[in-house]
Amino acid sequence: DGGITQSPKYLFRKEGQNVTLSCEQNLNHDAMYWYRQDPGQGLRLIYYSQIVNDFQKGDIAEGYSVSREKKESFPLTVTSAQKNPTAFYLCASRAGGDNQPQHFGDGTRLSIL
Amino acid sequence: AQSVTQLDSHVSVSEGTPVLLRCNYSSSYSPSLFWYVQHPNKGLQLLLKYTSAATLVKGINGFEAEFKKSETSFHLTKPSAHMSDAAEYFCVVTPQLGTASKLTFGTGTRLQVTL
Repeated sequence: DGGITQSPKYLFRKEGQNVTLSCEQNLNHDAMYWYRQDPGQGLRLIYYSQIVNDFQKGDIAEGYSVSREKKESFPLTVTSAQKNPTAFYLCASRAGGDNQPQHFGDGTRLSIL
Repeated sequence: AQSVTQLDSHVSVSEGTPVLLRCNYSSSYSPSLFWYVQHPNKGLQLLLKYTSAATLVKGINGFEAEFKKSETSFHLTKPSAHMSDAAEYFCVVTPQLGTASKLTFGTGTRLQVTL
C-alpha cells in the first residue's frame, strides 16, 4: 500500500542535542511538508518542499532544518537552537496543485529528557 | 489571504444522535475546502473535499458537508454518531491557485461521543 512512513514514533532529546525525524513516502508525490502540532492547537508549518533539492521556510522554521535529496524522503532535524521542541510532528505529501489535499503520516512525538 | 474559523472547540453528542461541526471560511477567491479527522496519536485522515464541483460532498464513514458560498460555511454533518467518531476534526482551506502558498488549518473541534 502507498503511504507516508514517519519514524520513530517516539523520540527523546537531551539538552544541546540535534535529532532527526524521518519521513518517507511511496506515493510519488512531488510536494512534502513538515508540521508541528501542540496540544489544543492547529497545525503550524515548519518547512515545505515542492521539488527535489528545493525547500522553503514555513511559519516557524527557526531551530529546524530539512533536506530533500530524494523525491521520497524529507527528513527534519530539530536542532539545539529550538528551545521548546516538545510537540507532535507530522509529515505530509501532496500530488497535483495547491487545491488538492495533503496526505499525512502518523507522526513522531518528540519529548525533552 | 484566506482564513478559517471552527466555531466550536468542543462538541459532545450521544451515540446515535446527529453530529454538526461548524466551519466558516474567508477568502477573496473560490477555494477548495477539506475536512480531516485525527484520532489520538495519529496523523490526519481526509474525510472529504470540496473542489468546486457539487456543493454537497459525501465523505467516508457517513460524513458529509455542504459548501454554502452565501454563508461562507462548510459545516460537517453525520446523521448518527458512533463511538468511533470521537476524535479531533479540522477544517482546512486551500490557497489561491498559483500563489504557492500554504493550507490554512482551523484550530480543531474535539468531538466527544457518549453512551
